[in-house]
Amino acid sequence: QKEVEQNSGPLSVPEGAIASLNCTYSDRVSQSFFWYRQYSGKSPELIMSIYSNGDKEDGRFTAQLNKASQYVSLLIRDSQPSDSATYLCAVNTNSGNTPLVFGKGTRLSVIA
Amino acid sequence: GAVVSQHPSRVICKSGTSVKIECRSLDFQATTMFWYRQFPKQSLMLMATSNEGSKATYEQGVEKDKFLINHASLTLSTLTVTSAHPEDSSFYICSAGTNNLQGFFGPGTRLTVL
Repeated sequence: QKEVEQNSGPLSVPEGAIASLNCTYSDRVSQSFFWYRQYSGKSPELIMSIYSNGDKEDGRFTAQLNKASQYVSLLIRDSQPSDSATYLCAVNTNSGNTPLVFGKGTRLSVIA
Repeated sequence: GAVVSQHPSRVICKSGTSVKIECRSLDFQATTMFWYRQFPKQSLMLMATSNEGSKATYEQGVEKDKFLINHASLTLSTLTVTSAHPEDSSFYICSAGTNNLQGFFGPGTRLTVL
């Protein structure tokens, strides 16, 4: 069974700090990796996608992928109170015609 | 990125009625659409996968006769909750994809069954 594991949190960080969110996955043939931000009562919003080992940066967000360790992380620099949300990690083993497998999410709280 | 819309955004209905939710891909043709359900404080649960022009594939435990899915075109899929009951109250979210495009969700539909 394909599984995606996340620490449920809550993860609390002070404003301006770096928030580090982690995710592990069980299916070694996974190819696509996604991080979503979900505010309460809203649909998930895609923040980052990553497909190759290494780092991918977009603004304050950096996704890191290590396929050998089956590990993907999201770093949020200069955390803001508006970053407070649940962050979902999702994995796909194939193309866009197969569904993503989601973790249960990590709740992040950025304290002003 | 790709844009996916849903309609309605919110619906309140009486127990026993049927509710139809539409999911549209606005700027691309989606060969596959996915329907998820999310209960409060829980993660997304995949209900079914629908491919244009063919029958949907339902996840274990999801009643296909209760949750009717139609994917008649490359830009539209509908989910009909038949004879809705209070336990069907949830947040329903669709996602659309192609072979090379994935990960984009609609804004969701909040269903409340009285």
